[in-house]
Amino acid sequence: NAGVTQTPKFRVLKTGQSMTLLCAQDMNHEYMYWYRQDPGMGLRLIHYSVGEGTTAKGEVPDGYNVSRLKKQNFLLGLESAAPSQTSVYFCASSYMAAGTEAFFGQGTRLTVV
Amino acid sequence: QQQVKQSPQSLIVQKGGISIINCAYENTAFDYFPWYQQFPGKGPALLIAIRPDVSEKKEGRFTISFNKSAKQFSLHIMDSQPGDSATYFCAASMGTGTASKLTFGTGTRLQVTL
Repeated sequence: NAGVTQTPKFRVLKTGQSMTLLCAQDMNHEYMYWYRQDPGMGLRLIHYSVGEGTTAKGEVPDGYNVSRLKKQNFLLGLESAAPSQTSVYFCASSYMAAGTEAFFGQGTRLTVV
Repeated sequence: QQQVKQSPQSLIVQKGGISIINCAYENTAFDYFPWYQQFPGKGPALLIAIRPDVSEKKEGRFTISFNKSAKQFSLHIMDSQPGDSATYFCAASMGTGTASKLTFGTGTRLQVTL
């Protein structure tokens, strides 16, 4: 049982390049989330999904897009990377709605130069 | 707008001592208050959580104290151990039937010394 798996674990991008971060969960969870973690700012929600085929904006969605074509996968895209998007990105999933445990992946450290 | 304020930013405690981390929230609609523990290079993991209908919850050496009127909650780690050295995040969420959109505090880096 792998839980939540993020790919890749590390990446360096040049300004303006695009990339996709992949999140996969094997717990049959309905809800999936993308957070970014920056020093002194905690974790901030970028986008989330309440089920296959749905997506919604979180607290800091600008510059990111997401897709949830399959229940087990949640993709985070950066169309034109900027240095301000240098961060550690965490994917999470939860079985039920508010008030239940969120399971996090191990993170993707992204540097935009 | 920071809806969950966490303090201190960092904390050094001797082995065997008590670690205390505090959080305050603004939105009275919050009804679920978890604490997450994060080790370096790892994702956060749920440590303990509380709902506002109780004032305290204890799991082993970890206790959450909750003060609804003051809109504050805190994590107490009794008999702190070097293995407890990690970053701790308080969080809050609200509502039922919606995604568990956790609002996190800014984190406390705890170091337990020998």
